[in-house]
Amino acid sequence: AQKITQTQPGMFVQEKEAVTLDCTYDTSDPSYGLFWYKQPSSGEMIFLIYQGSYDQQNATEGRYSLNFQKARKSANLVISASQLGDSAMYFCAMREVNTGNQFYFGTGTSLTVIP
Amino acid sequence: DAGITQSPRHKVTETGTPVTLRCHQTENHRYMYWYRQDPGHGLRLIHYSYGVKDTDKGEVSDGYSVSRSKTEDFLLTLESATSSQTSVYFCAINSVNTGELFFGEGSRLTVL
Repeated sequence: AQKITQTQPGMFVQEKEAVTLDCTYDTSDPSYGLFWYKQPSSGEMIFLIYQGSYDQQNATEGRYSLNFQKARKSANLVISASQLGDSAMYFCAMREVNTGNQFYFGTGTSLTVIP
Repeated sequence: DAGITQSPRHKVTETGTPVTLRCHQTENHRYMYWYRQDPGHGLRLIHYSYGVKDTDKGEVSDGYSVSRSKTEDFLLTLESATSSQTSVYFCAINSVNTGELFFGEGSRLTVL
């Protein structure tokens, strides 16, 4: 079974609008972390936001917020007020703390911001 | 700056030749990882290390070996490169303090 599932290969959003990128995860480890990374066309991996499995509140970092629904095992990324520079690949990842500290990645979502 | 560098950044080689990619960190982190990135597959874990001489396999370890003789260096070796190993390889280190995974710049390998 896939540890991380991103079901949107490509997304389009109008500049200044909000967009939600979906991510679901699968783990039996009670202690885990969820991450989102951005990969622009230049290729580097940029950390955006982190949510711990025991965190009670949804994580926020500037225009990024993580909609964490533990019972549904989803960790969607919300980008508010999209900018042209947000056009990139976005990867959801999960870290399992008690099973070797491994990180698992989804297949990514390509986001294009339209002027 | 997470203090992680990869070398070489680009390499073209022929099928059957050995290739070694190097990952160097200056942060003294315990955990280091090698991933490969291919279109449609995201990042897949090849091998990881949890200390000097302590390594384990990831989901796509066939055809790869690793070594970690010093905390700062994690080497990925393709003993006999194949065209299916053409990919972009990322090294990453895990900060136990923040939980974050920091990535190197990536190494683009082409096997002809």
